[in-house]
Amino acid sequence: NAGVTQTPKFQVLKTGQSMTLQCAQDMNHNSMYWYRQDPGMGLRLIYYSASEGTTDKGEVPNGYNVSRLNKREFSLRLESAAPSQTSVYFCASRPRTGFDYGYTFGSGTRLTVV
Amino acid sequence: GDSVTQMEGPVTLSEEAFLTINCTYTATGYPSLFWYVQYPGEGLQLLLKATKADDKGSNKGFEATYRKETTSFHLEKGSVQVSDSAVYFCALAPKETSGSRLTFGEGTQLTVNP
Repeated sequence: NAGVTQTPKFQVLKTGQSMTLQCAQDMNHNSMYWYRQDPGMGLRLIYYSASEGTTDKGEVPNGYNVSRLNKREFSLRLESAAPSQTSVYFCASRPRTGFDYGYTFGSGTRLTVV
Repeated sequence: GDSVTQMEGPVTLSEEAFLTINCTYTATGYPSLFWYVQYPGEGLQLLLKATKADDKGSNKGFEATYRKETTSFHLEKGSVQVSDSAVYFCALAPKETSGSRLTFGEGTQLTVNP
């Protein structure tokens, strides 16, 4: 089925470990986004890529890096995981950055840092 | 900056009851407004949207009207079902800035009992 695929679905890390969250979309969308979801705080934007070859910081970028590998793939890297990064991470995409285009979300990665 | 405020949850209703989830926003200009729904263990799905004042978005029996004068976009449904149990997010996207990143409210948990 067409959509946004995230891997892994679950991950437990020790403090200081690194990992990369993968995201791929097969809808030929231009823009891709990484959000984190924490209880009582809604979704907060970490990084986004308005188009292939560009990336920009969102609301909470500290501790993260991203790579827009090609039009399909947008990865999120935690270089040195901290307990404060325990969260559910969602990748999303949209056809272009026009104001009336909705996002398509992946099913999320639940990350626990101990 | 832009912000979205939703009524606090959780909300618990009996089947066939009337639903209202309040949403108000603060933004420069006239943003596009969205409602997303998140079912347990899944990513967010676009429920409905409105892109200008007095527009009414509707889908699956849910409705919301863009009220510029009260800066509101309240979600309503006349008769809820158990299958409507989910978390509902109000969101806005500014028209003026490039990227048009979505800003989300905190989410409202809805539980519908049979």
